[in-house]
This record gives sequence, C-alpha cells and structure tokens, in this order.
Amino acid sequence: AQSVTQLGSHVSVSEGALVLLRCNYSSSVPPYLFWYVQYPNQGLQLLLKYTSAATLVKGINGFEAEFKKSETSFHLTKPSAHMSDAAEYFCAAHLSGGYNKLIFGAGTRLAVHP
Amino acid sequence: GAGVSQSPRYKVAKRGQDVALRCDPISGHVSLFWYQQALGQGPEFLTYFQNEAQLDKSGLPSDRFFAERPEGSVSTLKIQRTQQEDSAVYLCASSSAGGPGNTIYFGEGSWLTVV
Repeated sequence: AQSVTQLGSHVSVSEGALVLLRCNYSSSVPPYLFWYVQYPNQGLQLLLKYTSAATLVKGINGFEAEFKKSETSFHLTKPSAHMSDAAEYFCAAHLSGGYNKLIFGAGTRLAVHP
Repeated sequence: GAGVSQSPRYKVAKRGQDVALRCDPISGHVSLFWYQQALGQGPEFLTYFQNEAQLDKSGLPSDRFFAERPEGSVSTLKIQRTQQEDSAVYLCASSSAGGPGNTIYFGEGSWLTVV
C-alpha cells in the first residue's frame, strides 16, 4: 500500500539554524508530493508541491524541498529557522490511478528555541 | 468566499447524539474532500466528491458516517449516534479540478468532542 513516512515526530532547532524535516514515500506512490504546515488550532496551509517539473521546489516562508527519486525522498529544508516557523508539518502524496486523495504522513512538530 | 469555510468550528456532543458538520468550499471548486484528524496524527481521508457525485467513500469508518453534496457546492458530513472515538478534527478541503497535482485547499476544521 502507498504510504508516506515522516522520520522524527518532534524536531527542535535554535533560531537561525538549519531546518530539515524528513519525508519518504513508498515507491508505488506517483510523484505528486506536498508539504503542508498547520499552526495551532488552524487548518492546513500549503507550503509547496512537486508535480514532476523541477526537482527542487521553492515554497512560501523560505522553505524548499528536493525530490530525489533514487532515495524516494522529499525532505523539507529552510536555511535559517525563525520563531514563527514553530508548527506541525505534514508531508503528503496525491494518489492517481483512478483515485483522488491525499495520503498524509504522521507529521513532525517543529520547535524553535531562542 | 476566499477560502474553505467550515461550521461549527467547535462542537461538543453527548455520546449517542447526531451531529452535522458543514463545509462551504471555494467558489467554483469541483472537488471536495473530507478528512478526519485525530489528536497528534495526520489527516486521514474520509470521502471525495466531484460536483454532486460521491466518487469515493472508502475512508468512512462506519455506516454512522454519511456525507452529501446535493447541489455540488456546500457539503455536510453527518455522524449518527456519536461515540467517543469520533472525537477529532474534521477537515474539509476543495480543489478546482480532479486528478493528482492540483492544489487542495483546506478549511480550519470542525473540532468535535464527544463526551
């Protein structure tokens, strides 16, 4: 079955440090991949998406992600963390082949400390 | 409206009560989705509509869950005889077209607590 795995349910970084949130997908999942962010008591906001164009995708708020087919990965990075980046981050894959649904990972909670 | 709108934002129901959650998608969006998000977990797919047709309801956890979109715009998710395990955030989402790769926009969710 198709799946999305996020390594690390909690990540903590210092303000100004590199942010790296990991996401791997199962090989049968088509290459439509998304990162969403969820702030407390809010819905999901799209950060960026990969739809088989450029493998390095730039999103909002300085985030970017690189699609690596050989590693079945789509890790999210930001060069310098800001306090406002503290939130829950979800990686998701959009199924095709007669389906139309997003499959989400379990999420990674990012904490940013001074 | 500018975004996906859901109501009520918060609902407390006594076990056994029926609840109805409303979703108003982005104007003109053909596709509408319902997801369930339990505390500390990622959203899980419940059902999908294309216009008024419910094309996929494979994620509905039991026959107590029912969704409709009679005119292809507003949708209602109904939960009958609520149980404590139904406590979750119910997220509605919409997109302008079907198929993978289209951006799916989410509402802020309806937080259901069953006591």
